[in-house]
Amino acid sequence: SQQGEEDPQALSIQEGENATMNCSYKTSINNLQWYRQNSGRGLVHLILIRSNEREKHSGRLRVTLDTSKKSSSLLITASRAADTASYFCATAMFDGGATNKLIFGTGTLLAVQP
Amino acid sequence: GAGVSQSPSNKVTEKGKDVELRCDPISGHTALYWYRQRLGQGLEFLIYFQGNSAPDKSGLPSDRFSAERTGGSVSTLTIQRTQQEDSAVYLCASSLRWANYEQYFGPGTRLTVT
Repeated sequence: SQQGEEDPQALSIQEGENATMNCSYKTSINNLQWYRQNSGRGLVHLILIRSNEREKHSGRLRVTLDTSKKSSSLLITASRAADTASYFCATAMFDGGATNKLIFGTGTLLAVQP
Repeated sequence: GAGVSQSPSNKVTEKGKDVELRCDPISGHTALYWYRQRLGQGLEFLIYFQGNSAPDKSGLPSDRFSAERTGGSVSTLTIQRTQQEDSAVYLCASSLRWANYEQYFGPGTRLTVT
């Protein structure tokens, strides 16, 4: 089964509002990453947070990680219509080079209304 | 610099035919990954290359799927005797190293098996 589960599955907000998406996972991880996908094609990397970090910022993005609860959240502040996309969390598991795969969640579809 | 490129961008094939999908990673990236995304779903990990070797092939769904990487660069994913359930977008990604590095995704190949 997939490692990550995003919540909510879909989110509709007005421009200027904040959007919060949550991700839960099941096993220990090395890092957690958030990606954006437009129109069902290429993914764009947004932010990577390591397992020993608790919070990270990048522009209008804020990511938190709680390893005790096995959860992460992505906050997009002052949303814009251009933020409309699907957002995925992905957990990275690697073991001395034996594997280095990302396990993706099911995604949150964000719609920002102008 | 140039990102990850994939070809073809779209492929329509008849059930039972073989297909080859190509990925050109970012120059200098040692790690390369293949993922599959079915319509409306998250990404499924298929295989991971470190250099030319594939330490983790655990995601390949059946022995009809194979992949190789030559010269530590270009990779080819081959699907033999395609089935309708193989229809999906196949995404390739590369990263500089294998641990705690973000993955950069190509635009994907949309495969349709009729």
